[in-house]
Amino acid sequence: GESVGLHLPTLSVQEGDNSIINCAYSNSASDYFIWYKQESGKGPQFIIDIRSNMDKRQGQRVTVLLNKTVKHLSLQIAATQPGDSAVYFCAESGDTPLVFGKGTRLSVIA
Amino acid sequence: KAGVTQTPRYLIKTRGQQVTLSCSPISGHRSVSWYQQTPGQGLQFLFEYFSETQRNKGNFPGRFSGRQFSNSRSEMNVSTLELGDSALYLCASRRTGRSEAFFGQGTRLTVV
Repeated sequence: GESVGLHLPTLSVQEGDNSIINCAYSNSASDYFIWYKQESGKGPQFIIDIRSNMDKRQGQRVTVLLNKTVKHLSLQIAATQPGDSAVYFCAESGDTPLVFGKGTRLSVIA
Repeated sequence: KAGVTQTPRYLIKTRGQQVTLSCSPISGHRSVSWYQQTPGQGLQFLFEYFSETQRNKGNFPGRFSGRQFSNSRSEMNVSTLELGDSALYLCASRRTGRSEAFFGQGTRLTVV
């Protein structure tokens, strides 16, 4: 949903639990999607990507799911750790520059 | 392999001044994009350069400009600075148009 200023959507998760971060994208012509993690004071860091010819892709402890019918993307983090605390952004592109969502702040409770 | 390098990391400027920010992409990457990040607007696209040509431009006033050199290094310039230009400016490099973008640490610009 919309987020203004510091009022990013926030997800609080217990250490060791799984996290699911959701993102709705806007352009039905987008065919490439990326999830980024941004820690305080740093630039966004690539986590995982997926192309529109796939609906699921797995990495180390992370899985991205793509539902093109409803233009929805999700990032699943398994066994969430304190080091996963950050702001997570989804980004979409086609033959266009990357367009970023507003971000979700993930807080891991030890 | 060195990452994306942005200089300087921090800048304080006065309203009305101009500023130039620099970005060195990952070796072999020909695409460089610039983004402005603020708490209120998130990450907003400024422009993208590929092989010294501006390929895309975001919805920013003409005070924001950029260029790319033959070695793929890029600079962005903001003239007549306004208080609202205070932001984190991020540079990202990509190998091709449809590959992952790698970001630098950003330049934190404060306009007073």
